[in-house]
This record gives sequence, structure tokens and C-alpha cells, in this order.
Amino acid sequence: QKEVEQNSGPLSVPEGAIASLNCTYSDRGSQSFFWYRQYSGKSPELIMSIYSNGDKEDGRFTAQLNKASQYVSLLIRDSQPSDSATYLCAVGMDSSYKLIFGSGTRLLVRP
Amino acid sequence: EPEVTQTPSHQVTQMGQEVILRCVPISNHLYFYWYRQILGQKVEFLVSFYNNEISEKSEIFDDQFSVERPDGSNFTLKIRSTKLEDSAMYFCASSSGTLKTQYFGPGTRLLVL
Repeated sequence: QKEVEQNSGPLSVPEGAIASLNCTYSDRGSQSFFWYRQYSGKSPELIMSIYSNGDKEDGRFTAQLNKASQYVSLLIRDSQPSDSATYLCAVGMDSSYKLIFGSGTRLLVRP
Repeated sequence: EPEVTQTPSHQVTQMGQEVILRCVPISNHLYFYWYRQILGQKVEFLVSFYNNEISEKSEIFDDQFSVERPDGSNFTLKIRSTKLEDSAMYFCASSSGTLKTQYFGPGTRLLVL
């Protein structure tokens, strides 16, 4: 059973702080990794994609991938109250069309 | 910016009735997907569709489900005889290739009574 694991949270950080979200996956055949943000009652919205080991930065967001440890993370710098949402980690494999989602980490940014 | 659209946004139906959920994927995308999310649970894959046929389906996608691309723009999910446990948010997604980013539509909230 291919799994994607996330801490459900909530992760509470003050405004302006760095939020660190983590995700582990079980299948070594995983090739593509995505972070989506989901507000309550809404659809997943892409934040970042990452395919290679290392860091990838986009504005206030940095995704980190370590395939040897089967670990992917998302850092959010200068967190804003509007970042309060559930962050979903999703993993794709080259043997499959689907994305496997984690259960999400709820982030709460306190003003 | 191109986006995936879905209709209706909400659907209420009686158990045993048929429902059709509609999606318009991003126009230059070739891969289409349906996912569902039961309240408070994970987003779950249902089916993928490429080149006018199902490319992959999950255990959830049993004989009561079907998908179709009736024309060049729409992609539909039909649930033949709805059950109470089909109540969920259904998301359509599309991508330009395998392993590429899947972009999600706003979803259809289905409630089966």
C-alpha cells in the first residue's frame, strides 16, 4: 500500500515566522512531488512542484526533496494569516497516472 | 489564466438516482482525472482518462461509475445508482502529461439523501 504521511497539526505559528511542513512517502518509485493548499470547502491549489533532490524556491515558499530519506518538506517564510489553510502533500509515480495525497497539515498563522 | 471548471457546484440527489458531474479541463491538456474527498478525509483518486479511454482506475471506481468525453471540451463522471456513501466533494483535474502538475477544478459537492 503506497502511503503519503503528514502530521495533521494544527501547526500554529505567529505572523512573520517560518512555517515548516513535512511529508514522508513509502514508494521509492515516486518521481513527482507536489504541495497543494486547500482552504476549507475549496479545491486543492498548487503551491509548488519538485522533481529533483534539493531545494526549490518560489517567492516565500521553498520545497525540499530528499529521495534517499523519502522526505519532502515545504517552508513558508514570513507567514501571513492568509496562509492559514490545510497543506496537502501529493506524490506521483512513473508507473501510475494518479497522485497519492497525504491527509494534510492544518496551518494556523496567528496575527 | 486557464482553469478547470466544473458544474454543478452543488448537487443533491436521492439514493438510487443517477448523477452526472461535468468538467471542462484546461484546453491544451491531454490527461483528465476525477478525485473525490469525503468530508474530513483525504483526496482519493478515482480514475484517469487519456486518449479517449480510461488509463487507470482505483478500487473505488466500480461498475456504478463511468467517465466520458462526449465532445472536445467536456469530461463527465456518471454515477449510475447513488449511495449514501457517495456523498463527497468530487474534483476534476487535468494535466499536460504524466508526472506533470494536475490542476484541480473547484469541485462539485454531492449530497446523497
